[in-house]
Amino acid sequence: DGGITQSPKYLFRKEGQNVTLSCEQNLNHDAMYWYRQDPGQGLRLIYYSQIVNDFQKGDIAEGYSVSREKKESFPLTVTSAQKNPTAFYLCASSIGGFYNEQFFGPGTRLTVL
Amino acid sequence: GENVGLHLPTLSVQEGDNSIINCAYSNSASDYFIWYKQESGKGPQFIIDIRSNMDKRQGQRVTVLLNKTVKHLSLQIAATQPGDSAVYFCAEYQGGSEKLVFGKGTKLTVNP
Repeated sequence: DGGITQSPKYLFRKEGQNVTLSCEQNLNHDAMYWYRQDPGQGLRLIYYSQIVNDFQKGDIAEGYSVSREKKESFPLTVTSAQKNPTAFYLCASSIGGFYNEQFFGPGTRLTVL
Repeated sequence: GENVGLHLPTLSVQEGDNSIINCAYSNSASDYFIWYKQESGKGPQFIIDIRSNMDKRQGQRVTVLLNKTVKHLSLQIAATQPGDSAVYFCAEYQGGSEKLVFGKGTKLTVNP
């Protein structure tokens, strides 16, 4: 089965801790994305990567970091610098850039205690 | 599930009725649009897309209409079923900034 997986589904973290969210895809897509979703708001772009070893900041990159060492993987680290990290995080991938359908993972719900 | 339905516009329909979900987009230069469906606690799922050289596109039980004059996009769902209950997002590709911009979504509830 091809698709995108995110883990874990639910994640709890204490204030001041960094945490890494996993995103893996076996669709052979070049581009991968991280979005944040808050109640009553549209998806907001955190980071994206159009090719291995390259990534760009989205609209709300502050307090987050990413890496793209492999085509299949695009982990997101939520650092202690992120002031309001509690949210639903969605990873997506597409064949090319933004001008293509994006396939989404099931999401990770992060709660900061 | 996730609270993605809070504070969203809502549409409630009876099973078997047709549903129309509207979206106003912001950038007149946008030339690619997508509709996504998101069920509670899950990631968005692609429904249908349309490029700006078209006014209408049909899929299985769904039709997307694009009115570039008034920057309006609509999603029509025929014979709505309880399984169609979800939040529906439109997204526009803004070529100038080279990114996809998502609307806030509409929560559709189908009553049996």
